[in-house]
Amino acid sequence: DTEVTQTPKHLVMGMTNKKSLKCEQHMGHRAMYWYKQKAKKPPELMFVYSYEKLSINESVPSRFSPECPNSSLLNLHLHALQPEDSALYLCASSDNAAVYYEQYFGPGTRLTVT
Amino acid sequence: SQQGEEDPQALSIQEGENATMNCSYKTSINNLQWYRQNSGRGLVHLILIRSNEREKHSGRLRVTLDTSKKSSSLLITASRAADTASYFCATDARQGGKLIFGQGTELSVKP
Repeated sequence: DTEVTQTPKHLVMGMTNKKSLKCEQHMGHRAMYWYKQKAKKPPELMFVYSYEKLSINESVPSRFSPECPNSSLLNLHLHALQPEDSALYLCASSDNAAVYYEQYFGPGTRLTVT
Repeated sequence: SQQGEEDPQALSIQEGENATMNCSYKTSINNLQWYRQNSGRGLVHLILIRSNEREKHSGRLRVTLDTSKKSSSLLITASRAADTASYFCATDARQGGKLIFGQGTELSVKP
C-alpha cells in the first residue's frame, strides 16, 4: 500500500470554527509532513514529524496545531483561521526524515475560510 | 533562502514532441527530486538524482544534474496528453527531510 489518505477532501469553515485535517499512511514511514499550497505556487513546508516527534516547525502561526498520535496518523488542528489561510493542505510521508528519501503525497484537503 | 527556479513557467507542446524543463538552485545539495502535480491534486514523485550523479533515466523521463552550474533539467520524451501537469523540482535543505520546491513549470500537451 503506497497510499497517503487525507480527510476531508474539502472543508469550508468560518473564522471562529475549530476543525481538524487528518492524514494516514500505512507504509511504515517514520516521517510525516504538512505542506500548504496556494494556487499556482509550490508547496510550502509547515511541519515535519520524525518518529512521532515534531522536528521542524517553519514558524507557522499557532492557529495551526499539528499532532502525531502514532506513526501512521497525522492531524492538523485549525482554530481562528483567517481568509488568507485558504489553500490546499497536503500531507506527505517518507521512509525517514533524511534527505535521500522520496516523499509520498496525499491528494490534499482544499480549505476555504470564510 | 535556497530555492529552485524553474523555466519555462509554462510550456505548451503537441503530443509526440519532447518537453524540457530546467531548474536552477542556489546552494549545494545532497540530491534533487522532480515531482508532478495534476491540477489540484497531490504531488507524485518522479525521480531523485543524487549530487554525485550526472544523469538518470526512468521510462520516458531523463534527468540531468550539473552541480557546477547548480542546475538540472527534466526531459519528457514522446509526450502524451496525460503528461499535462505542473512539474516541480525540489532540493534538500540539508535539514531533516525538508524540501525546497521550485516555482514549477506548467506543461500542456495538446492531442
